[in-house]
Amino acid sequence: DTGVSQDPRHKITKRGQNVTFRCDPISEHNRLYWYRQTLGQGPEFLTYFQNEAQLEKSRLLSDRFSAERPKGSFSTLEIQRTEQGDSAMYLCASSWGDEQFFGPGTRLTVL
Amino acid sequence: GENVEQHPSTLSVQEGDSAVIKCTYSDSASNYFPWYKQELGKRPQLIIDIRSNVGEKKDQRIAVTLNKTAKHFSLHITETQPEDSAVYFCAASPNQAGTALIFGKGTTLSVSS
Repeated sequence: DTGVSQDPRHKITKRGQNVTFRCDPISEHNRLYWYRQTLGQGPEFLTYFQNEAQLEKSRLLSDRFSAERPKGSFSTLEIQRTEQGDSAMYLCASSWGDEQFFGPGTRLTVL
Repeated sequence: GENVEQHPSTLSVQEGDSAVIKCTYSDSASNYFPWYKQELGKRPQLIIDIRSNVGEKKDQRIAVTLNKTAKHFSLHITETQPEDSAVYFCAASPNQAGTALIFGKGTTLSVSS
């Protein structure tokens, strides 16, 4: 499968714990994006990388959230001190041009 | 920043009818407008997109129109089929480099046979 992959697909955690998600983009896609989607809503932009550089970050992104793309390939999204409001589907997408290809998402449930 | 409004939130049609979903955007600098289809439990998938230098684009039963002056764009699906049932999202890209997509809240389309 040469599409965008994400791991894990599901994560259940207790409030206050840290979680980390991984995204593997389509190979040779230089752009990588993280979005969050809650039930009944469209994906909400979180952050964007071009190669290893984080070029854009949503003003809505709490300082508990951090993302990295150290070698310009896979990316990780970490959430520290999780809150119940962080429960959502976390989607990763990658692109070469304008068209963004989405991964299957990681569903986070914070108890 | 950019804001995208999408209407209607739900749409029910009979098989074979046409469906139209409308979106408006606020940032006149937006230049890329994709439409995504998301089936239950699946990832969003691009079905058609349009750039600001084009007024209309068609791909088989799907078409998108863009009115830059009015800042609105629409998705048209003709001869709907039950497999068209899904949530449809419009989006706009407010950055010249085509970066962050700002999505509408989605339209749940139900096609009954």
